[in-house]
Amino acid sequence: GAGVSQSPSNKVTEKGKDVELRCDPISGHTALYWYRQRLGQGLEFLIYFQGNSAPDKSGLPSDRFSAERTGESVSTLTIQRTQQEDSAVYLCASSLIVGHTDTQYFGPGTRLTVL
Amino acid sequence: AQSVAQPEDQVNVAEGNPLTVKCTYSVSGNPYLFWYVQYPNRGLQFLLKYITGDNLVKGSYGFEAEFNKSQTSFHLKKPSALVSDSALYFCAVSALTGGSYIPTFGRGTSLIVHP
Repeated sequence: GAGVSQSPSNKVTEKGKDVELRCDPISGHTALYWYRQRLGQGLEFLIYFQGNSAPDKSGLPSDRFSAERTGESVSTLTIQRTQQEDSAVYLCASSLIVGHTDTQYFGPGTRLTVL
Repeated sequence: AQSVAQPEDQVNVAEGNPLTVKCTYSVSGNPYLFWYVQYPNRGLQFLLKYITGDNLVKGSYGFEAEFNKSQTSFHLKKPSALVSDSALYFCAVSALTGGSYIPTFGRGTSLIVHP
């Protein structure tokens, strides 16, 4: 079966514009994570969806960042009024079951460049 | 707060020699530990994880890691390195924090295997 997919693979935008990033998790995976990976840095947790429960938004860096997920399907990460410091690779991951022990499967990422 | 340290930005090893990529962690409670690998221009892939039980965990591609509770370490090892092992390696820890199990990733270690 297909893995986690993300689109677009690359996005270049101007400062102040809004961007929307998409993640298609593996079918049947109940958990979905968004991370940010800045150049030379580790993964920074952004948000976590767990089935139909309220998402854990504790990692979102500002109110310009938001994410949605419909059921156990596609998720979108929206960044409003982009800033240059938002430039990074945004990674999405999904896991089969809810739980801290489950393996995450990562998408290839979206490279965002804010000019 | 939980944290992960990968003290080496880069590890160089000759093909055929054993390799070690270091990881130490800090958590409250029982840790769940993971190693992921990121090959150039590809997404993160799961290598192995420690949940409970035997402290020596074997994973994909001949890698293994040893959980050492007293030293709070989870170093990644392989007896004989291959040039194709050259990649970026991330250690991650997950533990109950504020009611959820959000994983924390290290900054990554670049492994370079020389022919």
